[in-house]
Amino acid sequence: DTGVSQNPRHKITKRGQNVTFRCDPISEHNRLYWYRQTLGQGPEFLTYFQNEAQLEKSRLLSDRFSAERPKGSFSTLEIQRTEQGDSAMYLCASGTNYGYTFGSGTRLTVV
Amino acid sequence: AQTVTQSQPEMSVQEAETVTLSCTYDTSESDYYLFWYKQPPSRQMILVIRQEAYKQQNATENRFSVNFQKAAKSFSLKISDSQLGDAAMYFCAYRGAQGAQKLVFGQGTRLTINP
Repeated sequence: DTGVSQNPRHKITKRGQNVTFRCDPISEHNRLYWYRQTLGQGPEFLTYFQNEAQLEKSRLLSDRFSAERPKGSFSTLEIQRTEQGDSAMYLCASGTNYGYTFGSGTRLTVV
Repeated sequence: AQTVTQSQPEMSVQEAETVTLSCTYDTSESDYYLFWYKQPPSRQMILVIRQEAYKQQNATENRFSVNFQKAAKSFSLKISDSQLGDAAMYFCAYRGAQGAQKLVFGQGTRLTINP
């Protein structure tokens, strides 16, 4: 068990480009969450997977955002046509009913 | 919708002293969980302490303890014998017991430890 792994750690992209982030949860965890954290703020919920099923999406998740968790293992978060307002830390967490473990996040900078 | 409020953007304390971080929340649910998370500059969110709403006894974890007042919807964190390694952003978080059970975070309190 090496914890929740997120890649890449940092991503700088030009406005209008597409980006994809990956999260590898702890293997036995069936719940997986994506959060977005802007500077000086607490994380905000984006979406939730129970195994491979995406069961809830925040209204923060516009049509440009899509997330998948094939076979209930790793998850990807894709942002299409990035905008400067997408610049943030994207956090992944996995867990069980008892509690959640966070990854170190992917910091996205859109220039 | 549930909300979590941390009214102290910044706090500072002398090393070895005690500090209390405040948190209030709003919910109509009767069954839920409350958490304090620590986020050091290395940025990984680390669970500090967990409280089940149905438990009257306040949770404790070594130097960390909470004061859970369910009727007042208050959930403060006390750090005793503060250490330099306690310096971080601290987030209070709420999690319902049903549905997605997503965490709802407060705005955070930046804690500085003065040597």
